[in-house]
Amino acid sequence: EDQVTQSPEALRLQEGESSSLNCSYTVSGLRGLFWYRQDPGKGPEFLFTLYSAGEEKEKERLKATLTKKESFLHITAPKPEDSATYLCAVQTNTGNQFYFGTGTSLTVIP
Amino acid sequence: GAVVSQHPSWVICKSGTSVKIECRSLDFQATTMFWYRQFPKQSLMLMATSNEGSKATYEQGVEKDKFLINHASLTLSTLTVTSAHPEDSSFYICSALGGAYEQYFGPGTRLTVT
Repeated sequence: EDQVTQSPEALRLQEGESSSLNCSYTVSGLRGLFWYRQDPGKGPEFLFTLYSAGEEKEKERLKATLTKKESFLHITAPKPEDSATYLCAVQTNTGNQFYFGTGTSLTVIP
Repeated sequence: GAVVSQHPSWVICKSGTSVKIECRSLDFQATTMFWYRQFPKQSLMLMATSNEGSKATYEQGVEKDKFLINHASLTLSTLTVTSAHPEDSSFYICSALGGAYEQYFGPGTRLTVT
């Protein structure tokens, strides 16, 4: 069964305290893995797409990596404005089917 | 680029009335759009996949006669909640599929049924 699991469910960090969010997936065939940021009361904002194991992408303090079983979103020296829920989604290569994780709620304390 | 808009951003309606929500891809064409529902502090729940020029594909448990979806052009999909009831109150989000299979989301519509 195709599924996506994110951990931890919630994470509180001090400003400047680096950490990683995990997205584990089990799918029959991976077309792409996507990371999104969602602020309360808003739609998700696209961050990264990863297509194959070993791929990495960076944007400001965020870096996403991908293996055959999981993806990590590394946050380096986070700031309070990085506080949000981070969602990961996997698309299978058998169609336009997407599977979303339940998200990690990140709070960065000044 | 890759901007998706939704209108209205919030709406309050009375029980029994219908509400239409528009989803537009502003700077790209989208043959496929998705409609999601999101409850507080929960992840996205896919309601249906909308393909331009054809009938929408609904997820199991979603009433197609209650949630009418029309995707009449490559930049516009609409969701109509018919005979709305308080339990339909939720945050509705649409997304449009980009050229590299990434989804670009709209800002969402907060529906409150009184």
